[in-house]
Amino acid sequence: EPEVTQTPSHQVTQMGQEVILRCVPISNHLYFYWYRQILGQKVEFLVSFYNNEISEKSEIFDDQFSVERPDGSNFTLKIRSTKLEDSAMYFCASSVYQGNQPQHFGDGTRLSIL
Amino acid sequence: GQNIDQPTEMTATEGAIVQINCTYQTSGFNGLFWYQQHAGEAPTFLSYNVLDGLEEKGRFSSFLSRSKGYSYLLLKELQMKDSASYLCAVSPNYGQNFVFGPGTRLSVLP
Repeated sequence: EPEVTQTPSHQVTQMGQEVILRCVPISNHLYFYWYRQILGQKVEFLVSFYNNEISEKSEIFDDQFSVERPDGSNFTLKIRSTKLEDSAMYFCASSVYQGNQPQHFGDGTRLSIL
Repeated sequence: GQNIDQPTEMTATEGAIVQINCTYQTSGFNGLFWYQQHAGEAPTFLSYNVLDGLEEKGRFSSFLSRSKGYSYLLLKELQMKDSASYLCAVSPNYGQNFVFGPGTRLSVLP
């Protein structure tokens, strides 16, 4: 069964550094998402992406965050200047359509900011 | 605003049946999804309801009442591997993204 893949599985970074989290969505899916989950808390929506542009973003997704689809397969989340509170599990997801279709999640990247 | 409530924790015995409830108040409704999440892993899709009633999928069933803003996930013949968090997520409107509940941590005891 096709799956969403994310790299790296774990990223440790000094506060203030830039990080790029990578995702390869399922190949025939058209909508891509980033979520985060702080340890012990609920899954929170960050941003959705369709047709090479952001379709929706949450209040969490401020100017330090950006997303990109640099080629036909990868989907990346960049955090420009990391803060301690950015430490979380970041999940990429994709779906065929938006709204009433299940989103399929990758295994996540655990980001630890020191 | 968007609000989804679930019990924080539940415990059940191997072989038993357990019902995990979810109530929601959202700006709109385009479907409710249940996900399973083992500790440190990704959420895995279990079921989807958009119309009132029961959807059955093997040992798992999910029920929806839109007028009551209520859903439940029913797990039958519990196995130890069912110990996980169960997440209720609502799609408020077509074109909007999932709003997740806090999750219910289920512990299955021998």
